Amino acid sequence: EIVLTQSPGTLSLSAGERATLSCRASQSVGASYLAWYQQRPGQAPRLLIYGAANRVIGIPDRFSGSGSETDFTLTISRLEPEDFAVYYCQHYGSSITFGQGTKVEFK
Amino acid sequence: QLQLRESGPGLVKPSGTLSLTCTVSGGSISGSTYYWGWFRQPPGKGLEWLGSIYHSGSTLDNPSLKTRVTISVDTSKNQFSLSLTSVTAADTAMYYCARPLSSAYEYSDSWGQGTLVSVSS
Repeated sequence: EIVLTQSPGTLSLSAGERATLSCRASQSVGASYLAWYQQRPGQAPRLLIYGAANRVIGIPDRFSGSGSETDFTLTISRLEPEDFAVYYCQHYGSSITFGQGTKVEFK
Repeated sequence: QLQLRESGPGLVKPSGTLSLTCTVSGGSISGSTYYWGWFRQPPGKGLEWLGSIYHSGSTLDNPSLKTRVTISVDTSKNQFSLSLTSVTAADTAMYYCARPLSSAYEYSDSWGQGTLVSVSS
């Protein structure tokens, strides 16, 4: 089973700042099978990025994903108030696992 | 627009069986090439995948829950269901059904709004 470890656990930033979230896999993950989700309180997860670097239609271009093998990054170039939420990376395919999440909170 | 809706009891007794159904609208389970899955999220905690099913009945299992989880599909009703046996308080969670990503060729997914299930006597 692939284990995903996200860091940091919490990111304290202000609106307008850049957020960099990390996801490390316990073994090599095909980049085609790495996704990023945003979850706001009381809501279902929302897919932002699939295939490590592909933005879902309708997701603002301030969100970008990168990485390969075991190290992946989600970057939010300039935080908007609605971006303060919890973010999960996910490995998908014949099985699905999630990282433990990174909370992006107001500084 | 694909929509999924979870339904089932909000309270289950310890040692009992948790049973939920997901009704799909705006698309056909039998006509799709997607898997359909169940996820859960304990209060204040992260997301966990429980398993997925194809319209043929073929399943993808989470090894850590395989002995307790059964997922079935009823294409005539456009529904799929979750059964979780021998529940304890640790199974208290928001349960989501979804049409998750499962291949490199997919670029979107769909989730239900979730249903809270509590395990308590």
